[in-house]
Amino acid sequence: GAVVSQHPSRVICKSGTSVKIECRSLDFQATTMFWYRQFPKQSLMLMATSNEGSKATYEQGVEKDKFLINHASLTLSTLTVTSAHPEDSSFYICSASEGGDQPQHFGDGTRLSIL
Amino acid sequence: GQQVMQIPQYQHVQEGEDFTTYCNSSTTLSNIQWYKQRPGGHPVFLIQLVKSGEVKKQKRLTFQFGEAKKNSSLHITATQTTDVGTYFCAGRDFGNEKLTFGTGTRLTIIP
Repeated sequence: GAVVSQHPSRVICKSGTSVKIECRSLDFQATTMFWYRQFPKQSLMLMATSNEGSKATYEQGVEKDKFLINHASLTLSTLTVTSAHPEDSSFYICSASEGGDQPQHFGDGTRLSIL
Repeated sequence: GQQVMQIPQYQHVQEGEDFTTYCNSSTTLSNIQWYKQRPGGHPVFLIQLVKSGEVKKQKRLTFQFGEAKKNSSLHITATQTTDVGTYFCAGRDFGNEKLTFGTGTRLTIIP
């Protein structure tokens, strides 16, 4: 149980393109979803926390207009990297939780490469 | 803001040797979770510790939460090649759903 699907797994696109990443909880309802960014051989940096039906809470230093998050249902959250540039290239990974003290279940991540 | 540090950053051990990673938070935590990330994979939840001084075991893995709820450790007895990966602790503040991930300890095993 507790499977989280993240799509796409890899994106290579030109600078200026907007990229949408989907995160779905397949067998549970995710009250809260989290979006992280992970640089090679480093830890996970939380970008934002999203709750179904409300605006995402962004961490300090994360541009909300650059990284648009939508959590339209209890099973789906999306992250859109708008007008992506090479410095946005990274591994983006989502997680979903049933809320409270429940553990986070992670998707497989999306490797984004901006040329 | 809250910081969670782990030591060591890297650990290379001979198969069969023990391994320990230590986690320290700058603030008192509501609870702490441990995750394992295999190379090329995503973090997988291992365990959650809530109580001060709590100790939990999962086969060869022993997890401890410090009395002050600011530090934790993960000990693996007699490592196997399947233990390879990066182990992250993640601390949760009181009244907050978000986790602050530690810096991670990357474990490699020499067969």
